[in-house]
This record gives sequence, C-alpha cells and structure tokens, in this order.
Amino acid sequence: NAGVTQTPKFQVLKTGQSMTLQCAQDMNHEYMSWYRQDPGMGLRLIHYSVGAGITDQGEVPNGYNVSRSTTEDFPLRLLSAAPSQTSVYFCASSYSPSGINQETQYFGPGTRLLVL
Amino acid sequence: DAKTTQPNSMESNEEEPVHLPCNHSTISGTDYIHWYRQLPSQGPEYVIHGLTSNVNNRMASLAIAEDRKSSTLILHRATLRDAAVYYCILRATLNTGNQFYFGTGTSLTVIP
Repeated sequence: NAGVTQTPKFQVLKTGQSMTLQCAQDMNHEYMSWYRQDPGMGLRLIHYSVGAGITDQGEVPNGYNVSRSTTEDFPLRLLSAAPSQTSVYFCASSYSPSGINQETQYFGPGTRLLVL
Repeated sequence: DAKTTQPNSMESNEEEPVHLPCNHSTISGTDYIHWYRQLPSQGPEYVIHGLTSNVNNRMASLAIAEDRKSSTLILHRATLRDAAVYYCILRATLNTGNQFYFGTGTSLTVIP
C-alpha cells in the first residue's frame, strides 16, 4: 500500500489564485481529514469526511472547500488564496469514522503552500 | 474535547530513557489518551494509546496515573531518530467526528 499520498509537495501561489490540494489513500478508509500546521503550532483541523458524500467543518474551515466523491480521494480547494493560508497542509485517514475503536490516523507527507 | 498540557521542549542523552509528561486534568471517563510524534518535515505518526491501564508496544510505553489526570510517554532508550515533536491527545470514545485536537506538543532533542 502507498498509504496516504499528497500532491503537490510544494506550491507557490499569488494572492487571489485558486488551487486544489490532492489527497488519496489506498487503505479503504472511511474517515479522511485535512489539517494545517503553522510555524511553532500544532495541527488544526480544517475539514473532515466520515465517508463518500459526507463532509463537515473542523476548527478552521474558512477559505477552504472540500468534497468526497469517492472513498479514495479527498481534495482540498482554495478558491481565492490569501497570505494567511501560507502553511503546511496534512491529509489524514483512518478506517472508521467512529471513536469507539480508537482507530489510528495515518498522515500524508504534507503540502507546503506559500501565498505571496 | 478536553485539553492537554505538555512542556514545550525536553532534552535527553542518546541511549538513555526519556519520560515525556502530559497533564490532562479535565479528562472524562470516556477519553482515550493518544500519543503521536512528528519527525522533522514529516506528517505525524501514531505512537501509542491507552485508557486506564499502562500500555507497551515496540515503540514506547504509556504510563497512566491512577486518577487519569496525567500520563507519561516512556521511550526506553532514546536514539537520534527519536528526535521529534511528541503530541499528547485526548480522544472521546463517542467522538463520531473522529477528531484529534493537537496542542503544540513537546519538542524532544536527543544529544549524541
């Protein structure tokens, strides 16, 4: 298994540009999520999905859109990039959306985004 | 979700044990204690988790206080590859959003 993959690894955008960060997993996981990590801070949840067709907001959703049309993919869209969105973005997945089994989350390698 | 408190940084000599503390005084009875670590320029990775009893796996041990208001991650013999940020996270059993709330973690430096 490739696990959780993210593309691109690094991206530079100008203010106002749009882009999509890609995330894919090949472990048949129901739950997927996006986090951002700013310098010196922990990870903050942006959006998450408990299955295909179902998404919900996390702690910092403003400025980001998501959709989940397949189990494997969970893209994150920036419609109009702002310098405040300069960050490292991590995608994660786990087998079950429920906390009952305390499923381990698997993280991708991250996408570094710089907005000028 | 209840919050955790960890020291910002710790140092350890190589091949010595490391005890990473975490305070979680507002923990509820259904919260599990998870530890993840983040190596430089990588995504976080799972280390260990537990509810009440101490837990051991190939990576580390987790010691949980009897009142569950604190826990300690134990690395038995620190290596240079253990240099990372370690996050202590509480996760509710009934949290159907499966959300993890990361704090700032403890940055562990391993001295050769």
